[in-house]
Amino acid sequence: QVQLQESGPGLVKPSETLSLTCTVSGASISTYFWSWIRQPAGRGLEWIGRIYTRGSTNYNPSLKSRVTMSIDTSKNQFSLKLTSVTAADTAVYYCARDDTAIIAWGQGTLVTVSS
Amino acid sequence: QLVLTQSPSASASLGASVKLTCTLSSGHSSYAIAWHQQQPEKGPRYLMKLNSDGSHIKGDGIPDRFSGSLSGAERYLTISSLQSEDEADYYCQTWDTGIRVFGGGTKLTVL
Repeated sequence: QVQLQESGPGLVKPSETLSLTCTVSGASISTYFWSWIRQPAGRGLEWIGRIYTRGSTNYNPSLKSRVTMSIDTSKNQFSLKLTSVTAADTAVYYCARDDTAIIAWGQGTLVTVSS
Repeated sequence: QLVLTQSPSASASLGASVKLTCTLSSGHSSYAIAWHQQQPEKGPRYLMKLNSDGSHIKGDGIPDRFSGSLSGAERYLTISSLQSEDEADYYCQTWDTGIRVFGGGTKLTVL
């Protein structure tokens, strides 16, 4: 059974870059698509983007100019970078296995954008 | 544009059944969706994938009380024999080439 665990700084300053990593266990990261999803407090889920091995990516058009995803098959990890963050980027960030349906979720990590 | 519409809230009594609705936007009525549950203060959990032929594939450990169905552009999640732990937010999710879309979620209250 696949398990996902997000990690990264919980506090990021405005205008700086948010960086998160997702460590996958129980499945080879080379075999599937992997997504990032976020959820501001009290609000719904927003898909950020997805990545496949060999670096094939798709991003939410609303975030595309600020998002970069990468994958490290040697560590079974994939990562998210979101540049020029503002308070509006404060949210719980989830990594997930993407099989068109999102079929497995990490527990989530809260990232607060504040000076 | 691919959009999913959900009612913001629903309620039903303990032990009863409830049917939650997710509506696909015009031109997308044949799309498959997935249902996810988010209990208070927890992350989402995958419940099932509901295919366009009405078949569904549940996640590991999802009770038989949860089932999916469809009619036209509407996709349903039915929860029978409601339990207190079913009180949660329920999200539908769909996809097209290169994009994933979530509905706004339905908050289910178990009375």
